[in-house]
Amino acid sequence: EVQLVESGGGLVQPGGSLRLSCAASGFTFSSYSMNWVRQAPGKGLEWVSYISSSSSTIYYADSVKGRFTISRDNAKNSLYLQMNSLRAEDTAVYYCARDSILQSYCSSTSCSNTDAFDIWGQGTMVTVSS
Amino acid sequence: DIQMTQSPSSLSASVGDRVTITCRASQSISSYLNWYQQKPGKAPKLLIYAASSLQSGVPSRFSGSGSGTDFTLTISSLQPEDFATYYCQQSYSTLYSFGQGTKLEIK
Repeated sequence: EVQLVESGGGLVQPGGSLRLSCAASGFTFSSYSMNWVRQAPGKGLEWVSYISSSSSTIYYADSVKGRFTISRDNAKNSLYLQMNSLRAEDTAVYYCARDSILQSYCSSTSCSNTDAFDIWGQGTMVTVSS
Repeated sequence: DIQMTQSPSSLSASVGDRVTITCRASQSISSYLNWYQQKPGKAPKLLIYAASSLQSGVPSRFSGSGSGTDFTLTISSLQPEDFATYYCQQSYSTLYSFGQGTKLEIK
């Protein structure tokens, strides 16, 4: 079964740190880009960070840039999110999500891919409060 | 960054109704638009990718259309299990962004 399982959430004081993990199973983890997406209580989805399959390309949302670090260990089929300098506004459920290329278009000169988040974990809650 | 705006923010409908949700991008995103369904306490589920392609296992009553900046998600005949929150997402830029969500409630 294709599965993502997050862990590492909890209660942390403002300014503190936390490291989230996402364990992948049932698919070739090293072939896929991955993302972290969060959802504050009662709010919508917010994309947080992206990492390519080889870790060569990484992106962050402006709201977390400089404070969060995404990484992965393909040998361990695991994705991570190191969160430092945490703020109250970082309180949310954090989901890891697989980024799959679902459609490709090729012309005579180039190809373009369309991707989407097709597999999600169950989420892990992070609460930043004193 | 690309901003995604959904309308309406909430919608009341009855079983059997036809429902349309709209998503607008702040710039052209071609067909790089995905739709997700989320039920309370659950992770989002991919419904539609590339604006109009149905994800495997998703009922055919769901359909998507649009390109450029304007997109729609249509549910042809609402079923009880369809009452949920729906999000659009652009994948044109790897600085992904989601719409604010549309909560579909039972009338």
